[in-house]
Parts: sequence; structure tokens; C-alpha cells
Amino acid sequence: AQSVTQLGSHVSVSEGALVLLRCNYSSSVPPYLFWYVQYPNQGLQLLLKYTSAATLVKGINGFEAEFKKSETSFHLTKPSAHMSDAAEYFCAVSGVGGSYIPTFGRGTSLIVHP
Amino acid sequence: DAGVIQSPRHEVTEMGQEVTLRCKPISGHNSLFWYRQTMMRGLELLIYFNNNVPIDDSGMPEDRFSAKMPNASFSTLKIQPSEPRDSAVYFCASSDPGPTYNEQFFGPGTRLTVL
Repeated sequence: AQSVTQLGSHVSVSEGALVLLRCNYSSSVPPYLFWYVQYPNQGLQLLLKYTSAATLVKGINGFEAEFKKSETSFHLTKPSAHMSDAAEYFCAVSGVGGSYIPTFGRGTSLIVHP
Repeated sequence: DAGVIQSPRHEVTEMGQEVTLRCKPISGHNSLFWYRQTMMRGLELLIYFNNNVPIDDSGMPEDRFSAKMPNASFSTLKIQPSEPRDSAVYFCASSDPGPTYNEQFFGPGTRLTVL
């Protein structure tokens, strides 16, 4: 079975600071990996995805994530946080064992201080 | 593209009443998912359909919950009778297992409050 672990239910940064949200997955084969963002009172929307092409994936709003097979990680980063980045972020994995049903992490709430 | 449409956006009902949530997936998508989100349990997959057929309903919490997809453009999630612990945000999502590599497109959700 595939699983996703997001370290830290809450991450707090100052505006302009580096954002780092951690995600580790359990899989013996490279899966498909996703980061979704959920703004208050909205559904989840895709930030970026890894599909076995380039290991460094660039997404919307200046976010990027790097797939590291040796560490089974797919951490999300952004060089400079904006107030508008405050949201819930979910890491998800799919494609393990032929299943296209994603498994979502518990989510990390990003808090941005002025 | 209108995206995934859910109705109602908010529902307040009393314990014991029947609740029906509705979803219209993105045209052309052949997979549809129902999720429930709560603070305690996070995002839970309740059931998913492929080509209008329920594939896995193991996430449906009890027999009080049922879901149907009579055609490719409409699905319902029904709770009968409703209980306060059913209070949550319910999301519908659709996807096309083609070159989009299983990306899911979520609706805005229905916030259900059972008093």
C-alpha cells in the first residue's frame, strides 16, 4: 500500500522567508507525486506534479518541488513567502501497484506572518 | 470550462433528516470521487466511480451513506438518516486517467452541518 507522510501539521514563516513543506512517501517504485493547495472555503487545486520526467518540478505561484528517490521525498519549496500563500497544502501519491487512486497526506497549514 | 460543480454549497439540517449532495463532474472525465474532510480525520475517500460504475465504496462509513452515478454528468451522495457526527465538508472530484497522470479536479465542496 502507498502512504504519504507530511511532517508538521503547521508551518509558520515570515513574509519574504523561504517556505519548506516536507513530504515523504512509501513506495518501492517511483510513483506519481502531487502537491495540492486548499485556500479557505475552497476545494483542492493542483500546484504541481511529478510524472517521472524532470526531478525538479515547477508549479504555479512560484512553488517547486524536487523528487528524491533515495530519500523517498518530494518536498515543496518557495524562495519567498507571500501573505497570499497562507493555505493548507496536501501531498499526494498515486500509481503504485497500478492504482490511479491517490493517497493524500494529512496536510500542512502554512501560516505567513507580516 | 466550468469545473466540477457541487450543490448545495452549504446545508444545515437536523439530526434524522435525509441529506442529498450533488455533483456534476468535468465533461469528458470518466472517474468521479467523493471525499469527506474533517479536522479530526483529514481528507477521506468515501467512494469512487469509473465510467459511472462504483468501483470501491470501502470508505463509506455506514449503511446510512449511499452514492449513485446515474449518468456521466451527475452523481449524488445521500445520508439517511443524518447524524451530528456527519458534519463535515464533502468534496466531489473528477479525473481522466489519460495523459494528465491522474490529476484530480475538485469541486468547491458542500459544508454540511447536522444539528
